[in-house]
Order: sequence, then structure tokens, then C-alpha cells
Amino acid sequence: NAGVMQNPRHLVRRRGQEARLRCSPMKGHSHVYWYRQLPEEGLKFMVYLQKENIIDESGMPKERFSAEFPKEGPSILRIQQVVRGDSAAYFCASGQQGLNTEAFFGQGTRLTVV
Amino acid sequence: QKEVEQDPGPLSVPEGAIVSLNCTYSNSAFQYFMWYRQYSRKGPELLMYTYSSGNKEDGRFTAQVDKSSKYISLFIRDSQPSDSATYLCAMSQSTGNQFYFGTGTSLTVIP
Repeated sequence: NAGVMQNPRHLVRRRGQEARLRCSPMKGHSHVYWYRQLPEEGLKFMVYLQKENIIDESGMPKERFSAEFPKEGPSILRIQQVVRGDSAAYFCASGQQGLNTEAFFGQGTRLTVV
Repeated sequence: QKEVEQDPGPLSVPEGAIVSLNCTYSNSAFQYFMWYRQYSRKGPELLMYTYSSGNKEDGRFTAQVDKSSKYISLFIRDSQPSDSATYLCAMSQSTGNQFYFGTGTSLTVIP
């Protein structure tokens, strides 16, 4: 019974490169949330997606960040032209029926921009 | 004012103690309340999920919600060293698309 799978667990990118973070939700879950966690800070909402649809991207920076959840395959969080300030832990959570049911988190991807 | 306030601690207790963790919030529209446990460099693990006011018990864990005071609590009975982690509260509205998290309370249970 696999949980939410995120890969890679650790990602190092040079400034200006692109980062791609992947999230496979739990089996049967069609709702995915991405959160960012900085040291000493709580989890900050970025984007909420259902299959093939972005429902709410109000927490995502307008530039350089994008997310998708295709009909087949994992959800992808893409950061273009990374900067040092993008260094953080990025967590994906999935749920079965949307916000008002339990959401289960993956182990996260720790992005380091050098 | 933050949507959700949580004392960061750190909190240190002896093994077997009862632990009380708390969060306050400002948005009266919050209806769903969760507690997550996060070990160092791991993802948050869902511990408790409650709707509206009241108590919910699961093993050594009890979650309480007092909507009139905008205050939620997590109690851990007979605390164990393996309970040492950061505990995050989270909440959401019946409409809306995100969970709002506290910053987490760091707990250490000393053997």
C-alpha cells in the first residue's frame, strides 16, 4: 500500500537551471496539493490540482513556477531559472475527495540551489 | 496576524508524561482540524482529523476543538521517546482550497 511518492528526495541545481519535482499520489487519490517548507516556518500552500486541472494556484509565485497533473503520470512542480531563495523542502499531499478529507503527505523533495 | 498561531517550543518532557500541544486561530470559518507529526527531514504524518468542535480519541492521542475560543489541542498520554518530533496543527474551511498550518511545536521526550 504505497503512500504518496515524491522524487527525487534531494535535488541540487545551479542558479538559472530548471528543477522538476514529481509527485505520485496515493492509489485512488485524484487531488494533489503542493506545499513549501522553509526552515523555522510552517508549510505554505502553493497549488491545488485535480487530474488535468489547476484548481487553485494562489500560493504559487507568478513567475518561474508552474504545476501540472496530467491524466496519466505524476504531478509535476516545475521551477525555471532557480534562484537561491527557492532552496526549501517541497511537499506534495494527496486526498481522495478534495480539501475536506484527510490529506497524506509524501517525504518531500529538498531542493538546494547553489 | 497569522491565520494559525502555534508555540514553537521547544517542549521537553520526561517519558510517561502527558503532553499538551495547542494552536489558536483567527478565522471563524475553519471547520476541519488536523494534527500532523513530522520527524526530522521527513514528511508530515497525519495523526488526527476532526470536524467542528468536540473531542476525538485514538490510542494515546486525544484531539480537542473549541470553536468558541478558536483553540485546538492535542494531548499525548504516556509519552514515549518515539513521540519526539515536531507537531503541526492544520485547518481548513468548508469551502476553499488549502490547509493553513501552524509553524509546529518541537517536542522531546526524555527517557
